[in-house]
Amino acid sequence: DQQVKQNSPSLSVQEGRISILNCDYTNSMFDYFLWYKKYPAEGPTFLISISSIKDKNEDGRFTVFLNKSAKHLSLHIVPSQPGDSAVYFCAASSANNNDMRFGAGTRLTVKP
Amino acid sequence: EAGVAQSPRYKIIEKRQSVAFWCNPISGHATLYWYQQILGQGPKLLIQFQNNGVVDDSQLPKDRFSAERLKGVDSTLKIQPAKLEDSAVYLCASSLSLHSGNTIYFGEGSWLTVV
Repeated sequence: DQQVKQNSPSLSVQEGRISILNCDYTNSMFDYFLWYKKYPAEGPTFLISISSIKDKNEDGRFTVFLNKSAKHLSLHIVPSQPGDSAVYFCAASSANNNDMRFGAGTRLTVKP
Repeated sequence: EAGVAQSPRYKIIEKRQSVAFWCNPISGHATLYWYQQILGQGPKLLIQFQNNGVVDDSQLPKDRFSAERLKGVDSTLKIQPAKLEDSAVYLCASSLSLHSGNTIYFGEGSWLTVV
């Protein structure tokens, strides 16, 4: 039962351009969404989050957009840098507990 | 501020052997989680504690996996006996409280290989 889906296993982008990572979810009870970044041999690190009462949250080069009607969120990285190369996980949780569900991840490669 | 600490980082065992992983969450975090991440997949929740009580262990294979958080701080996850399919990264994480809106912070993970 995959409630959070990241349909693109990999993405390659040129340095300086925009990276767009997508995520879809099926559970309408989810009200808090997060993006985590993971380097090899390390645990996931929190990147940015958004509450369901918002449709956009921005933090420096990172912006997360939420489309509740489409049950879709995306992470935009502008401009992309080689150090952004990592696996990005989308995650979601609901108000009644903090049981966070993760997507399978998208491997981003930013080429110099 | 110290992050989530886990040990050991790496472990190789033979099938049918046992293994235990230890986790120390961020100070003050009431909620502690154990996740299993198999290569190519996202983390999957195994068990969730609020202080020393279990909130959710519905996805924990209880015939071979057990976890405890006796004093509401440190936690251990045990696998006995291990199977080949248990090869994965075991991630411990913590958050301030149970409620949605609290960011979950992960440790570096304990990498298990069962041969």
